[in-house]
Amino acid sequence: DTAVSQTPKYLVTQMGNDKSIKCEQNLGHDTMYWYKQDSKKFLKIMFSYNNKELIINETVPNRFSPKSPDKAHLNLHINSLELGDSAVYFCASSQEGGQGQRQPQHFGDGTRLSIL
Amino acid sequence: AQTVTQSQPEMSVQEAETVTLSCTYDTSESDYYLFWYKQPPSRQMILVIRQEAYKQQNATENRFSVNFQKAAKSFSLKISDSQLGDAAMYFCASMNRDDKIIFGKGTRLHILP
Repeated sequence: DTAVSQTPKYLVTQMGNDKSIKCEQNLGHDTMYWYKQDSKKFLKIMFSYNNKELIINETVPNRFSPKSPDKAHLNLHINSLELGDSAVYFCASSQEGGQGQRQPQHFGDGTRLSIL
Repeated sequence: AQTVTQSQPEMSVQEAETVTLSCTYDTSESDYYLFWYKQPPSRQMILVIRQEAYKQQNATENRFSVNFQKAAKSFSLKISDSQLGDAAMYFCASMNRDDKIIFGKGTRLHILP
């Protein structure tokens, strides 16, 4: 029944490792997003994909690479993890409504990434 | 540039009372959306209320309502009859037609029994 699901919920790993966070939405939405929430709770968009095509790519290190195998999935792969990558990462999705309007974004529960 | 400012890092309110959370924003767009999201300790991001900029009428969802002052670029959230379950971080956010949501830094709301 979950609308936007992220796995894993918690991820603890060593500096230098490569890890992925998966996101799936069953809402039939056409756009998916990744956000990073830092230790001060500040939420910032990282990427968004519309129908598997990258449309927003904020200033994010190249070590972060989103991958969208289909429009229901947007995974986040992170190479060579650094201490500063510790944060909560949120996936979200939305759908274009009528007349070009976009519906609110639905968020996953977040993945807490801790780098040792 | 699009910005969202929440000037109150923390607020407290007595249970059953009313509280207003402030938010101001800046955008050069004429067509945009404004939101309030709630993040309880469980970390979920829950949409509380939404306002389209072209609508003059303030949005209302049960005990939650907004005071949208477009000229002043102000979008405050009023919570009536506060309940213990309302305790959370509240994020104000704006979204232009480019789809990018910009969040404020959040206001932590404490409900006092």
